[in-house]
Amino acid sequence: GQNIDQPTEMTATEGAIVQINCTYQTSGFNGLFWYQQHAGEAPTFLSYNVLDGLEEKGRFSSFLSRSKGYSYLLLKELQMKDSASYLCAVEDSNYQLIWGAGTKLIIKP
Amino acid sequence: ETGVTQTPRHLVMGMTNKKSLKCEQHLGHNAMYWYKQSAKKPLELMFVYNFKEQTENNSVPSRFSPECPNSSHLFLHLHTLQPEDSALYLCASSQERAGGAQDTQYFGPGTRLTVL
Repeated sequence: GQNIDQPTEMTATEGAIVQINCTYQTSGFNGLFWYQQHAGEAPTFLSYNVLDGLEEKGRFSSFLSRSKGYSYLLLKELQMKDSASYLCAVEDSNYQLIWGAGTKLIIKP
Repeated sequence: ETGVTQTPRHLVMGMTNKKSLKCEQHLGHNAMYWYKQSAKKPLELMFVYNFKEQTENNSVPSRFSPECPNSSHLFLHLHTLQPEDSALYLCASSQERAGGAQDTQYFGPGTRLTVL
């Protein structure tokens, strides 16, 4: 079956760096997406990776290793507003997005 | 209005009621999606429309009935729901459904549905 694994919850300190991991097993691969979802709000798109390596966007970076079925989202200089759930999703060969259950990130002062 | 909008934002209904959820996208996209989001579970894809044609129905019970009159509007008609159908219903759109970055989905704020 198809599966996305990510930690249920993580805690980090304001100003620090946190890495949220995502491992996947899917039928084919057409790209990996990261979304941010604040409580009670819509998921918002953060990043897309299809080739191996690191993609940087300001304080957020996303890494992909297709051979290992692995990705991570790196958040630097954490701010209180970064408290949210982070969703990992992989598009399989049928163009279907397989979603992880999300990682709830708690930022403490 | 920009992005993806959904109405109503909150809905409480009895099991015998009939109601409809509405989604509208202002992004010029050609694919639209309905998802169900329950607490601590992955997003569950319900229906997909690509260029107004339904391309996926992920074994959704017939008490949920989608309608896509054009590429900008999507409805989810609800009838005879069960309490376990209580969840956040999210609509999303993407440029199209052809693989890769153009499949990036943009979500509406959702409708919080409670079935009594």
